[in-house]
Amino acid sequence: KAGVTQTPRYLIKTRGQQVTLSCSPISGHRSVSWYQQTPGQGLQFLFEYFSETQRNKGNFPGRFSGRQFSNSRSEMNVSTLELGDSALYLCASSAGTGPYSPLHFGNGTRLTVT
Amino acid sequence: GQSLEQPSEVTAVEGAIVQINCTYQTSGFYGLSWYQQHDGGAPTFLSYNALDGLEETGRFSSFLSRSDSYGYLLLQELQMKDSASYFCAVRRTGANNLFFGTGTRLTVIP
Repeated sequence: KAGVTQTPRYLIKTRGQQVTLSCSPISGHRSVSWYQQTPGQGLQFLFEYFSETQRNKGNFPGRFSGRQFSNSRSEMNVSTLELGDSALYLCASSAGTGPYSPLHFGNGTRLTVT
Repeated sequence: GQSLEQPSEVTAVEGAIVQINCTYQTSGFYGLSWYQQHDGGAPTFLSYNALDGLEETGRFSSFLSRSDSYGYLLLQELQMKDSASYFCAVRRTGANNLFFGTGTRLTVIP
């Protein structure tokens, strides 16, 4: 079974631009979560989707948004990019909705904002 | 608020045993998870403690004590490939996301 796939792997953007990142979960997984990872802040939760509905949102500004499609694929968008948005963006899927549902992470998209 | 504190760095010798601690301040959570992340790689799930006590999976064991707000990951017979970052994480009651600890970078030396 294929793992979580994130595209692109690397991205370089300039301040003020917007960016869209894509995530394909493991087949059959309906929950998709997004995390931002930086050296100083660790893994910070962005949002979680299940069956096209956003169930949770982390403490990020409205410039960060996401969506999930009927095939469970997900995208996240960051508008008006700032230098501080440079980070590794990780997508994770899980099979269930219960507390014991391990996350399966993709290799991430490394975003650099210049 | 909530926090999961871990030592930032730990160094241990190949073949030895190392314990990575996770102390938390969070109200109501389902259990404690551990993830491993190699440089440039994706975090991967290691273990989950739903109840207090010790869970063993091969060379790795994980422990949880809710009364002490404390957990740890124990790695035995350390191998060079165990050099990685390790994160504890909890799923708070009523939430659908995992909240991750600050992470511990483990370096295994010969």
